[in-house]
Amino acid sequence: AQKITQTQPGMFVQEKEAVTLDCTYDTSDQSYGLFWYKQPSSGEMIFLIYQGSYDEQNATEGRYSLNFQKARKSANLVISASQLGDSAMYFCAMRVHSGTYKYIFGTGTRLKVLA
Amino acid sequence: GAGVSQTPSNKVTEKGKYVELRCDPISGHTALYWYRQSLGQGPEFLIYFQGTGAADDSGLPNDRFFAVRPEGSVSTLKIQRTERGDSAVYLCASSLTSGGGADTQYFGPGTRLTVL
Repeated sequence: AQKITQTQPGMFVQEKEAVTLDCTYDTSDQSYGLFWYKQPSSGEMIFLIYQGSYDEQNATEGRYSLNFQKARKSANLVISASQLGDSAMYFCAMRVHSGTYKYIFGTGTRLKVLA
Repeated sequence: GAGVSQTPSNKVTEKGKYVELRCDPISGHTALYWYRQSLGQGPEFLIYFQGTGAADDSGLPNDRFFAVRPEGSVSTLKIQRTERGDSAVYLCASSLTSGGGADTQYFGPGTRLTVL
């Protein structure tokens, strides 16, 4: 079965500290993509970062980096220097190809940044 | 440029009624996706369009749900005989192509549907 698992329903982090949000995935596909999205209270899903299954280097986008460990099937999001505006829901997603491309989302992690 | 837009932002209806939810994707994006997001959950895939055709509608829960994209741009999700269990946020996303690689989806703000 193709699945995304996010085991942390909620996380707290102190402002300016780094935080890691966990994501594990399950697929038998060799080619897949991994994504992280942020969903603030306004509801809109905001794309943060992408990692391809064949990419050898971990993806980075500003304060976001994706810790990709293929053998462990994990794709954790690391946010450095947390800001109050980082408080939101974070979703890990996997794109797989089964005839067409399909995105599978996890249940999300709610991050609260403390001042 | 403009992002993905969805109308209405909120829709309240009574059980048994018919509703239409509209999505206007980013200009030039050929792929369009509909998702349903229930409270406390991640988005759940409903249907995917490549151009005008529904390439994958395996996520539609039953035949009360239908979606169209007649000109390959705007899409409408139609729900007949609404039930209270249909209450959720309906998200639309578009991407430049239907391909892989770093091509990603961009989401609209969603339509919150409440069935009384």
